[in-house]
Amino acid sequence: DVKVTQSSRYLVKRTGEKVFLECVQDMDHENMFWYRQDPGLGLRLIYFSYDVKMKEKGDIPEGYSVSREKKERFSLILESASTNQTSMYLCASSFGPWGDEQFFGPGTRLTVL
Amino acid sequence: DAKTTQPPSMDCAEGRAANLPCNHSTISGNEYVYWYRQIHSQGPQYIIHGLKNNETNEMASLIITEDRKSSTLILPHATLRDTAVYYCIVITGANNLFFGTGTRLTVIP
Repeated sequence: DVKVTQSSRYLVKRTGEKVFLECVQDMDHENMFWYRQDPGLGLRLIYFSYDVKMKEKGDIPEGYSVSREKKERFSLILESASTNQTSMYLCASSFGPWGDEQFFGPGTRLTVL
Repeated sequence: DAKTTQPPSMDCAEGRAANLPCNHSTISGNEYVYWYRQIHSQGPQYIIHGLKNNETNEMASLIITEDRKSSTLILPHATLRDTAVYYCIVITGANNLFFGTGTRLTVIP
């Protein structure tokens, strides 16, 4: 079975903390994505990566950065967490050209106090 | 970028076909229509996709109108486990991904 795993299901952090969300896929996929999901807004793309060390901004990159040092791992970084970054964060990966089926992880629910 | 419009919620009786509509009137010629669903507390799951022709797989059928301005996802025999939020999205490239708010399908026993 294909697997996308995220480091935590639930995370609570304080305003101003640096937060790392980790995502690992075991399918040798080229592309990886980070989304956030908020009620009434659906899923919104934060960043994506189509190769190691490559990254592209999505719709809402402000306040976030990413790192892809290895093909299987894609990290989302909140340099200084704020309360408006409280959300569900979803990681996904896909194999081929854009638009290929994306496989999602279970999500991390982040609360920033 | 083509965006989609879906009804916020629908009910379907268990065992009956669930027909979920999606409007994408600004779709362009090279944009695919994808359907995903999200069961509570899980990440989204791919269902099916198509460009022009109707498609069928083990989960569902996708009917795309000739002008490609709308489509319908059909779950032929809905079960309680099909209760989920269903997202219709159109894609050309990764920076055009937009999941929207989807349709919450409730399958009723």
